[in-house]
Amino acid sequence: EMQLVESGGGLVRPGWSLRLTCTTSGFTFVDYATSWFRQAPGKGLEWVGFIRSRTYGGTTEYAASVKGRFTVSRDDAKSIAYLQMSSLKTEDTAVYYCARGFHYTDSSGFYHYIDYWGQGTLVTVSS
Amino acid sequence: QPVLTQSSSASASLGSSVKLTCTLSSGHSTFIITWHQQQPGKAPRYLMKLEGSGSYNKGSGVPDRFSGSSSGADRYLTISNLQSEDEADYYCETWDSKTRVFGGGTKLTVL
Repeated sequence: EMQLVESGGGLVRPGWSLRLTCTTSGFTFVDYATSWFRQAPGKGLEWVGFIRSRTYGGTTEYAASVKGRFTVSRDDAKSIAYLQMSSLKTEDTAVYYCARGFHYTDSSGFYHYIDYWGQGTLVTVSS
Repeated sequence: QPVLTQSSSASASLGSSVKLTCTLSSGHSTFIITWHQQQPGKAPRYLMKLEGSGSYNKGSGVPDRFSGSSSGADRYLTISNLQSEDEADYYCETWDSKTRVFGGGTKLTVL
């Protein structure tokens, strides 16, 4: 059975750091991108960042709201992805989801689309 | 960067059909999108990938009642024979090489 399980959420103070973990199983992790998303209480979904598979360079991209503060990484040997969050702000309070990205290419480049989600972990930033 | 526009709410009766719309911004009418369902208190669930041609690929276990179609910059999700469990928020998503964006979501109420 395919699974993505987030962990590491909790209550932190503004300015603190926190690392989230996305532990996967049931599929060949190395072949897929991993994206992180978040959802603030009562709000819609927001993309945070992603890391491409090694085949597609293993490079990362970030939303403007988190660029320079958040880092996505991956350990292909363990089938795990991470979201390192620093300089946390109260507006970072949200449920954070990791998701699997299926890579594809077309005439204009290579991309991925989300085809499986984790169950989420809550991060609360409050003084 | 593409922008996606969705109606904030929709409603339909149990057993009927409903068609939800996601509109791509100008200059992005050929973009592929995905539809995701989020039931109350749950994580999102991938429903389908939908191309500008109208071709779609559904996720594992997604009922036949769910289908997709396209017209110009509009991408549609049609749910037939509505069930109570279809009451949820529905989000469309698209991407370019460096960013990903969601529509604001449509809250579907099954009457």
